[in-house]
Amino acid sequence: GQNIDQPTEMTATEGAIVQINCTYQTSGFNGLFWYQQHAGEAPTFLSCNVLDGLEEKGRFSSFLSRSKGYSYLLLKELQMKDSASYLCAVLDSNYQLIWGAGTKLIIKP
Amino acid sequence: IAGITQAPTSQILAAGRRMTLRCTQDMRHNAMYWYRQDLGLGLRLIHYSNTAGTTGKGEVPDGYSVSRANTDDFPLTLASAVPSQTSVYFCASSGTEENTGELFFGEGSRLTVL
Repeated sequence: GQNIDQPTEMTATEGAIVQINCTYQTSGFNGLFWYQQHAGEAPTFLSCNVLDGLEEKGRFSSFLSRSKGYSYLLLKELQMKDSASYLCAVLDSNYQLIWGAGTKLIIKP
Repeated sequence: IAGITQAPTSQILAAGRRMTLRCTQDMRHNAMYWYRQDLGLGLRLIHYSNTAGTTGKGEVPDGYSVSRANTDDFPLTLASAVPSQTSVYFCASSGTEENTGELFFGEGSRLTVL
């Protein structure tokens, strides 16, 4: 079966750095995606990794290792507004997104 | 810029009743999707449509139906609601017929079936 694993909840301090890990086992691979979802709101697209390596976008970076079935989202200079759930998803061989359950990130002052 | 509009935002429904969740987009996107989101689970695909006039079944289609008469509208119907259909429902779209993984989501419809 297809599976996406990520931690249920993480806590970090304002101004610090946090890394959210995601491991996956899917039928094929056409990209790994990270979405941000604030409580009670819609998910919004953050990043996409198709090839191995690091993609940087401002304070957020995402890394992919296809051989290890592993990705992480790195958030730097954390701000209170970064408190949200972060969803990891993989685009499988049928071009359908398989979603993890999400990691709830709590930022403390 | 509206993007994707869902209605209703929230609804409480008696079991056995019929319910249609509406979804309208103004981005002229080809592909549209319906997901449900439940606590502790990832988003699960109910039905999708790659282009107007076509629909397909997702991971959890039972008890739901969709139609895609035109590009903008993609309603989701529960023919006879059951308590296990209590969930938050998200409509989404993408600009191409083939899913690139970058989806635009509506604000969600919270449905409670009693």
